[in-house]
Amino acid sequence: QKEVEQNSGPLSVPEGAIASLNCTYSDRGSQSFFWYRQYSGKSPELIMFIYSNGDKEDGRFTAQLNKASQYVSLLIRDSQPSDSATYLCAVYSSASKIIFGSGTRLSIRP
Amino acid sequence: GAGVSQSPSNKVTEKGKDVELRCDPISGHTALYWYRQRLGQGLEFLIYFQGNSAPDKSGLPSDRFSAERTGESVSTLTIQRTQQEDSAVYLCASSLGGGGDNEKLFFGSGTQLSVL
Repeated sequence: QKEVEQNSGPLSVPEGAIASLNCTYSDRGSQSFFWYRQYSGKSPELIMFIYSNGDKEDGRFTAQLNKASQYVSLLIRDSQPSDSATYLCAVYSSASKIIFGSGTRLSIRP
Repeated sequence: GAGVSQSPSNKVTEKGKDVELRCDPISGHTALYWYRQRLGQGLEFLIYFQGNSAPDKSGLPSDRFSAERTGESVSTLTIQRTQQEDSAVYLCASSLGGGGDNEKLFFGSGTQLSVL
């Protein structure tokens, strides 16, 4: 079992719709959770950080965390073509290091 | 510096040669990570440095890989006797460390390694 699992996609969403990205993790002692966006040929950049159960909103992005079920999700409202990228889920594990999932490729179709 | 700096940006080498990759983290960042990203894949953890603690080397794929860090400064990742399977982008990232929001990573532009 991988430490951090994501559906590789591609996930295709029409412009203006909500994109929903999911991630599960195996280490129950994980403390913090991150979503990074990576455009093709570029390095990852942080878009969301969450550590408490529930929702955290930042503009068009909402991160959701459920520690009991060991999953974290990212919602992107009013999806734009510029949101087309690979989204990487990352977990700060009980071993005090950050582990990434394999990423979900998101495509926003006009 | 203003950001994480990696060099070289591209490295082409012949199978069997040694290569050295360099990372200069953001000033004041105590945590430094190396990741490997093969084409179309996610980030594979290699090694993690936190301050003066012993590094977490659990992700290094073989004894051909090693890394050093001088204090809370520059780090070098060395790959000896390179193989074609080592071809990938090697990403360095740094953070303030200490848990929570301080663990958010800032990435360098990466080194594209091609082993012929």
